[in-house]
Amino acid sequence: DTAVSQTPKYLVTQMGNDKSIKCEQNLGHDTMYWYKQDSKKFLKIMFSYNNKELIINETVPNRFSPKSPDKAHLNLHINSLELGDSAVYFCASSPLRGLAGGSHPTGELFFGEGSRLTVL
Amino acid sequence: GENVGLHLPTLSVQEGDNSIINCAYSNSASDYFIWYKQESGKGPQFIIDIRSNMDKRQGQRVTVLLNKTVKHLSLQIAATQPGDSAVYFCAENIAPSHRLAFGKGNQVVVIP
Repeated sequence: DTAVSQTPKYLVTQMGNDKSIKCEQNLGHDTMYWYKQDSKKFLKIMFSYNNKELIINETVPNRFSPKSPDKAHLNLHINSLELGDSAVYFCASSPLRGLAGGSHPTGELFFGEGSRLTVL
Repeated sequence: GENVGLHLPTLSVQEGDNSIINCAYSNSASDYFIWYKQESGKGPQFIIDIRSNMDKRQGQRVTVLLNKTVKHLSLQIAATQPGDSAVYFCAENIAPSHRLAFGKGNQVVVIP
């Protein structure tokens, strides 16, 4: 009954390979995210989808392509992996709550356990 | 190990003492702030939040203080326990884009 689950938890691969990380949430949330955490523990947003629609796309190489088949799933595909892609990738979701002036994703995020990617 | 060369700001605190973690945020337009706790090998977990129209909010053993004048946020943990050992992040919600920006983590080490 894990709320936000991502697979695989660990991924070790060679430079130049293509890999995917999958994420699923069973919280009924409308918004999902991918964050990257580097070796210094710095967390940086990569993408956000709201009900399958891309709403945030930070400056991320186009080797990274998110896909949201439905609002409960957000997968991350990475082409031509590079050494610098080694990091922990976190999926997260948040509910859509009404705030003054309209509905916006709330700031509270529910994170998965992370997927540690090591590129050799 | 995982933490070699990490160089996170670290607060060592005796079990039972109070802890204070500080955070400076960058954007005057931020309207919502959250503290997250990240235990080793896990994802960040929500601890407490505060909106910009408040200056203090209390939870169970935790208090968040917001000083908008100097753009400063703090998290106070009362009677720190070994289970409080973790990396703590402040995050600001930058209106109107509603993207959550995380600050640098602060490592808290509780000494039994």
